[in-house]
Amino acid sequence: GAVVSQHPSRVICKSGTSVKIECRSLDFQATTMFWYRQFPKQSLMLMATSNEGSKATYEQGVEKDKFLINHASLTLSTLTVTSAHPEDSSFYICSARLPLGIEQYFGPGTRLTVT
Amino acid sequence: AQKVTQAQTEISVVEKEDVTLDCVYETRDTTYYLFWYKQPPSGELVFLIRRNSFDEQNEISGRYSWNFQKSTSSFNFTITASQVVDSAVYFCALSEASSGGSYIPTFGRGTSLIVHP
Repeated sequence: GAVVSQHPSRVICKSGTSVKIECRSLDFQATTMFWYRQFPKQSLMLMATSNEGSKATYEQGVEKDKFLINHASLTLSTLTVTSAHPEDSSFYICSARLPLGIEQYFGPGTRLTVT
Repeated sequence: AQKVTQAQTEISVVEKEDVTLDCVYETRDTTYYLFWYKQPPSGELVFLIRRNSFDEQNEISGRYSWNFQKSTSSFNFTITASQVVDSAVYFCALSEASSGGSYIPTFGRGTSLIVHP
């Protein structure tokens, strides 16, 4: 099966600092990865689509200057939360599709707490 | 626009009971894909199944079975003889073929299943 990893699994940072979350496809190349945000007891909210070698496509209402996405290789996408605030505290999940695939395979998620 | 409704917010059962999780969807596309994902307390979403709109055959995988009915726009998920390890949030999702190849899914709100020993 397709395996997606995320690092770190949990991070606590202070208000005003930046945090980088890595998403890797371990056993396949992913030209497209996705970043989601999930609040407690809620569904997943798509933040952006990350395309290898080009700019990410952000969903409406997601600040691209705050949530920086870089997809530098076919197996790695990063999400950087810049100048984090307590309201950015959430569970961030990435996913990837197999080439020509349809279903998404998800990473284990990163729980971000901003104090 | 596509839409997925999981009307059951939370279901509580005792081990060995059968349980059905409902999923109703809306789409104008004739070609679409339906999914079920499991999210255990650890948080990682696990892909369970994908169904194509042109294949209405029901599927069984061990204790899991799925009933896809286009006539009622439903894609229900049944767990037979539930176990404590089945406790998780289950998400139903829909992707439309007309999404330009992105197949970005719309997720339902999820159903939290609690299986008591």
